[in-house]
Amino acid sequence: DQQVKQNSPSLSVQEGRISILNCDYTNSMFDYFLWYKKYPAEGPTFLISISSIKDKNEDGRFTVFLNKSAKHLSLHIVPSQPGDSAVYFCAASRPSGYALNFGKGTSLLVTP
Amino acid sequence: EAGVAQSPRYKIIEKRQSVAFWCNPISGHATLYWYQQILGQGPKLLIQFQNNGVVDDSQLPKDRFSAERLKGVDSTLKIQPAKLEDSAVYLCASNPTSSGELFFGEGSRLTVL
Repeated sequence: DQQVKQNSPSLSVQEGRISILNCDYTNSMFDYFLWYKKYPAEGPTFLISISSIKDKNEDGRFTVFLNKSAKHLSLHIVPSQPGDSAVYFCAASRPSGYALNFGKGTSLLVTP
Repeated sequence: EAGVAQSPRYKIIEKRQSVAFWCNPISGHATLYWYQQILGQGPKLLIQFQNNGVVDDSQLPKDRFSAERLKGVDSTLKIQPAKLEDSAVYLCASNPTSSGELFFGEGSRLTVL
């Protein structure tokens, strides 16, 4: 039962443009959401997170938006750079120490 | 600060053989996780430890998988006997508490032939 869904397996964007990665979730108990970035042969690395009490969090070129009523979040990367090419995982957790639930990932390719 | 250490990085075995993976979390991190990532899928939790106690092992196939975290520090994940469908990357992660950001190791890639 996939509680975190990333419906776009891949995305290709030109350098300098905006990349938008989407994520949907089904469990209304989730209160904390994260994005991880993964390069081949490496472990996932934390990128940015958002608590359910917020609807936006920004860190440099990366912004995450949360729409709780739609159970949807998105990651915006502006401007996109070739080094951003990686697999991006959306993850969510419930309160009180539950582990992260991950989506299947979206492979982002930023072309020069 | 040293990151999460995992070994071996790669392992190839025949089906029905056994294999063990080792993880050393970041120093002081109380919570340790093992995730399984099958190609094309997201990481799936196998087991979560808080210190040396098991918090969640509901998705661990206990007929063939076992894990322990003696003394609340490093951990070992064992598969015996392995099946073809166990081919995956086994990721170890840790965090200081049981919520928030997880810190992942580089993973151990298992191929079962």
